[in-house]
Amino acid sequence: AQSVAQPEDQVNVAEGNPLTVKCTYSVSGNPYLFWYVQYPNRGLQFLLKYITGDNLVKGSYGFEAEFNKSQTSFHLKKPSALVSDSALYFCAVRDYNQGGKLIFGQGTELSVKP
Amino acid sequence: KAGVTQTPRYLIKTRGQQVTLSCSPISGHRSVSWYQQTPGQGLQFLFEYFSETQRNKGNFPGRFSGRQFSNSRSEMNVSTLELGDSALYLCASSFGDSSYNSPLHFGNGTRLTVT
Repeated sequence: AQSVAQPEDQVNVAEGNPLTVKCTYSVSGNPYLFWYVQYPNRGLQFLLKYITGDNLVKGSYGFEAEFNKSQTSFHLKKPSALVSDSALYFCAVRDYNQGGKLIFGQGTELSVKP
Repeated sequence: KAGVTQTPRYLIKTRGQQVTLSCSPISGHRSVSWYQQTPGQGLQFLFEYFSETQRNKGNFPGRFSGRQFSNSRSEMNVSTLELGDSALYLCASSFGDSSYNSPLHFGNGTRLTVT
């Protein structure tokens, strides 16, 4: 089965510093990868996706993600973190072996301190 | 454009009761998916509906059921509630079915507490 793993439960970053939230995937076939963000008491918001093409994908709110096939990774990045970026981040993959449902990682809590 | 609307936002039920949750997708979206979110299990897929047909189902007991109406609105029902059903239930809509790879747009969820 397809899966994604987020190795860090929590990431702490100082405001203005670059941030990286890690995600690795395990798929058979082409990976279809997504990043979502969840603020407290809210649903998930779509940030970006990788289907095919350029390995660097740009998304909402200044976020981008780098697809690395050899390392089976899809890390989320932002050059300069904001306090308002503090939230729960989820990596996800489409599982076409199971009807195309979206499989989510366990989530990484990002904390940006002033 | 209005987003995905879930009602109610909060619900408190007693063990053994049943509950119905409602989801109105974004206008024009024909696919609706449901997820259960808990601190221990994370986000677990419940089911997906497209054009009133269940396209996919997760590994949940038969107490969990859903349906989709001709206007794409969806309902989810949980019968004989158990304490472990306490969770945030999220509905998400997308334009096409999962083969389109279009992103899911989530509602703010229904927080169900079973006592």
